[in-house]
Amino acid sequence: KQEVTQIPAALSVPEGENLVLNCSFTDSAIYNLQWFRQDPGKGLTSLLLIQSSQREQTSGRLNASLDKSSGRSTLYIAASQPGDSATYLCAVLHGSSNTGKLIFGQGTTLQVKP
Amino acid sequence: SQTIHQWPATLVQPVGSPLSLECTVEGTSNPNLYWYRQAAGRGLQLLFYSVGIGQISSEVPQNLSASRPQDRQFILSSKKLLLSDSGFYLCAWSINTQYFGPGTRLTVL
Repeated sequence: KQEVTQIPAALSVPEGENLVLNCSFTDSAIYNLQWFRQDPGKGLTSLLLIQSSQREQTSGRLNASLDKSSGRSTLYIAASQPGDSATYLCAVLHGSSNTGKLIFGQGTTLQVKP
Repeated sequence: SQTIHQWPATLVQPVGSPLSLECTVEGTSNPNLYWYRQAAGRGLQLLFYSVGIGQISSEVPQNLSASRPQDRQFILSSKKLLLSDSGFYLCAWSINTQYFGPGTRLTVL
């Protein structure tokens, strides 16, 4: 059974710091991995999607890496801003096709202090 | 562009009452549709997914059911709510990546 774990559960940093969020999964047979952002009481916004054949994806100040063999992904946020404060969720699409059944981690709640 | 709507945004219901949450998608055809629940202190859990009209797959045994009467409409229902049904319900659609709706906050008292 695929399980996704995110560490740390919560993180508080001063503005301007670079930071790394970690995600691990137990079964390397994934189709892709996504990072989402969730603001309190809101839906999820997709940040980055990494296909199983890819090693990383970048969007602005965000960089996500994927090491499928070790079951790990990291989300790197450069020069953090107070507007980055949110919960970040990692999810894997388990299996060999785009069945769309995402398995989520419990998330990392980030607070960036001005 | 594609948009996804959910209503109501918030709902407070007594135990034993029925439930109907609606999700509609605009700007795409024949999407995969999903219902997730996010309970307090727990991660997002997939409840149902649908690959077409009338085609529903359930991921976990529970007190809820889902229906897809139209291509871009997905409904989550219950005949009698339990306290444990409280949570934040999210609808999503996908072609490749998944796009989530704004969610419905359900409180069962």
